[in-house]
Amino acid sequence: AQKVTQAQTEISVVEKEDVTLDCVYETRDTTYYLFWYKQPPSGELVFLIRRNSFDEQNEISGRYSWNFQKSTSSFNFTITASQVVDSAVYFCALSEAGAGGTSYGKLTFGQGTILTVHP
Amino acid sequence: ETGVTQTPRHLVMGMTNKKSLKCEQHLGHNAMYWYKQSAKKPLELMFVYSLEERVENNSVPSRFSPECPNSSHLFLHLHTLQPEDSALYLCASSLGLAAYEQYFGPGTRLTVT
Repeated sequence: AQKVTQAQTEISVVEKEDVTLDCVYETRDTTYYLFWYKQPPSGELVFLIRRNSFDEQNEISGRYSWNFQKSTSSFNFTITASQVVDSAVYFCALSEAGAGGTSYGKLTFGQGTILTVHP
Repeated sequence: ETGVTQTPRHLVMGMTNKKSLKCEQHLGHNAMYWYKQSAKKPLELMFVYSLEERVENNSVPSRFSPECPNSSHLFLHLHTLQPEDSALYLCASSLGLAAYEQYFGPGTRLTVT
């Protein structure tokens, strides 16, 4: 069974600090996909990144970067020089390809990490 | 309109009412989803439709009834709900299943009184 754990329930930082959100996953599939979503106070989940299990390259997009390590089953998310607009709930999620790629695309979400960035 | 839209944004209903939630996607996607988000719980997948065919019913009580008349529209019909069904109901769509990122609507905040 697939499982995603975000051990940090809440994180509070001051603007311009760097912050890392942890994500640890469990799966028996060799092919799977990892995602990060942002949920601002408005409620809509915003897609940030997708990573497949065969691609362990780290990715950087502006102030955001992601560190995918299969050896530790982790997919951590770092925000550099945080801003007040980064305040939101961040979700890590996992989708398995299933046998022969038969998965129906079930996204298993972690509990989410509430990030508050203070001015 | 772009992306995924949901109506209504807020809904208050009594336990004996019947109401429907509507979701529309303008992304040309083939799969659509209903999720429930309760306070202090992870998002729970409820239903998945691929090319208008239901491919997953994730042990959802029959008081929730989905309908997907075409690949752009998804409904969730509600009847005789319980107070514990109060939650944010999110609709999402994706180009395909599994490997594809899902795009979410703003949600409907449902309160059952």
